[in-house]
Amino acid sequence: DAKTTQPNSMESNEEEPVHLPCNHSTISGTDYIHWYRQLPSQGPEYVIHGLTSNVNNRMASLAIAEDRKSSTLILHRATLRDAAVYYCILIYSNSGYALNFGKGTSLLVTP
Amino acid sequence: KAGVTQTPRYLIKTRGQQVTLSCSPISGHRSVSWYQQTPGQGLQFLFEYFSETQRNKGNFPGRFSGRQFSNSRSEMNVSTLELGDSALYLCASSLEKTGHEQYFGPGTRLTVT
Repeated sequence: DAKTTQPNSMESNEEEPVHLPCNHSTISGTDYIHWYRQLPSQGPEYVIHGLTSNVNNRMASLAIAEDRKSSTLILHRATLRDAAVYYCILIYSNSGYALNFGKGTSLLVTP
Repeated sequence: KAGVTQTPRYLIKTRGQQVTLSCSPISGHRSVSWYQQTPGQGLQFLFEYFSETQRNKGNFPGRFSGRQFSNSRSEMNVSTLELGDSALYLCASSLEKTGHEQYFGPGTRLTVT
């Protein structure tokens, strides 16, 4: 399975944009890039996913490098509620899948 | 639309016993997967079902098993419980066969004494 590398922790001020990086240099052409987050005492929450093109949804934006070896999750205006562990995961979707969560990035948002 | 529900929410068992956990996916979702979360190992994939068929299995011993019913509800069973099985067990469901956009339940907290 292709691996991802994320910083252990990041800090942001409230109402500022946050850019969470993820390196996946061994990604294959059929791997989708997924982001999930886990707030304290809750189950993981789907954030966004993409394959090659940048993606936007109501929660965040996903910027994918042209060579697909890295990606960035962008939270446009961080709120205190965005404090969570963010996981970047690669999924090869064929006849089945598994989310390999890794350690993720712990995001601290300060007022 | 109701989210993923898991029962029971909390469970205490003793070593050597067996336990069955239940998961009801979001209505219309046919894919269900299970994860174990512990402080030491983090979130680990157990298995995934689609239309009553196990499509993928994580690296767990055979004491961990699961099944999915025709209504997409799923159960997982752990036999001969060990202290190390104490964990939060999470279930997730997905509408798509590809597994994109999985929605997680609140989990079942299992404590083995």
